[in-house]
Amino acid sequence: DTEVTQTPKHLVMGMTNKKSLKCEQHMGHRAMYWYKQKAKKPPELMFVYSYEKLSINESVPSRFSPECPNSSLLNLHLHALQPEDSALYLCASSLRQGVYNEQFFGPGTRLTVL
Amino acid sequence: GENVEQHPSTLSVQEGDSAVIKCTYSDSASNYFPWYKQELGKGPQLIIDIRSNVGEKKDQRIAVTLNKTAKHFSLHITETQPEDSAVYFCAASPSSNTGKLIFGQGTTLQVKP
Repeated sequence: DTEVTQTPKHLVMGMTNKKSLKCEQHMGHRAMYWYKQKAKKPPELMFVYSYEKLSINESVPSRFSPECPNSSLLNLHLHALQPEDSALYLCASSLRQGVYNEQFFGPGTRLTVL
Repeated sequence: GENVEQHPSTLSVQEGDSAVIKCTYSDSASNYFPWYKQELGKGPQLIIDIRSNVGEKKDQRIAVTLNKTAKHFSLHITETQPEDSAVYFCAASPSSNTGKLIFGQGTTLQVKP
C-alpha cells in the first residue's frame, strides 16, 4: 500500500460547526504533515508530526487542532472556522522527518466554510 | 528565511516540444530541491529531486539541473505529451533538517496535441 488516503473528499461547514478531517497511511512512515492550499497557490505547511509528537506548528490559529492518535493516522479538528479558511487541505507523509525524505501527498479534502 | 521564485507562471507547448521551468532560491544553505506535479483534483506527486552535491539528474524524459553558485535550478521535460499537462511546483528544503519544503508559486503547463 503506497498511498495516503484522506476523508472526506469534500466538506461544507458553517462557522459554528465542529468537524474533523482524517488522513491515513500504511507505508510505515513516521512523519505526517498537514498543508493548506488555496486555489492557484502552492501548498503551505501547517503542522508536522514526527513519531506521533507535534514537531512543527507554523503559527496556525487555534481553531485548527491536529491530532496524531497512532503512527498511521492523522486528524485535523476544525472549530469556529472563517470563510477565508476555505481551501484544499492536503495530508502528506514521509519515512522520517528531515531533508531528503520524499513526502507523499494525499488527494486532499476540499473544505468550504459558509 | 528561504524564498523560492518560479517562472514562468504559465507555459504552453506543442506536443513533442521541450518545456523548461526555472526556479531561484535565496538561502545558500538549502540542500534539497524536489519537483512536484499536481494534476487536477489530485495531491502533488514527486517527479524528480536533486541534492545540493549533484549538478544534474535525469529520469527518462525529465531532467533537473542545479547551479549552486547562481542559486537556481531548472526542470526540463523533453518530448512533451498531453498527459504532462499539470501544475508543476519546485521546492527547496532549508538546511535546518526539519523537512520543511518552501514551494515556488507553480507553473501551469499545457501541452497541446
